[in-house]
Amino acid sequence: AQKITQTQPGMFVQEKEAVTLDCTYDTSDPSYGLFWYKQPSSGEMIFLIYQGSYDQQNATEGRYSLNFQKARKSANLVISASQLGDSAMYFCAMREVQGAQKLVFGQGTRLTINP
Amino acid sequence: DTGVSQNPRHKITKRGQNVTFRCDPISEHNRLYWYRQTLGQGPEFLTYFQNEAQLEKSRLLSDRFSAERPKGSFSTLEIQRTEQGDSAMYLCASSSEGGGKTQYFGPGTRLLVL
Repeated sequence: AQKITQTQPGMFVQEKEAVTLDCTYDTSDPSYGLFWYKQPSSGEMIFLIYQGSYDQQNATEGRYSLNFQKARKSANLVISASQLGDSAMYFCAMREVQGAQKLVFGQGTRLTINP
Repeated sequence: DTGVSQNPRHKITKRGQNVTFRCDPISEHNRLYWYRQTLGQGPEFLTYFQNEAQLEKSRLLSDRFSAERPKGSFSTLEIQRTEQGDSAMYLCASSSEGGGKTQYFGPGTRLLVL
């Protein structure tokens, strides 16, 4: 069974600093996909970034990058130059390869950006 | 390009009542997912449609829950005889077919059962 672990319940960062949110995963499938979503207080899950298990390079999307270390089974999200609007819950998720290809989520990290 | 929409955004009901939620996916997406998220947790998978066919259901989906996607477009999720434990955020997501395809989520329906 697939499992996602996010060990940081909360993170506090000063505005304009970089922040790393941790995510480790467990799967026996050789092919998988990893995602990060942002959930503001309004509740909507906003897609941030995707990394495929066979991708050679770490994914980047603007200020977001994914530090993918396959041997360690980690997929940490790095946010550069944090902004006040980055304050939200952040979820790491893995997509199963077979069947419904449903997402399995971690418990999330609440990020607070201080001015 | 409109995103995934869900209605209603909020629903308060009394225990024992039936409730129905609607999800309109992104128009060209043939896959539709329902997830449930309780306070302080990540979303958990409930069920999945490919076009109009419901292909997988989680064991979380008790007999009181039913979902439909009659014409392969919008979907409804009905909860009969609601219980206080049903209080949660119900999230709908859609994606196109094929590996690597991202699931895009709607704003969710927040249900409170009194």
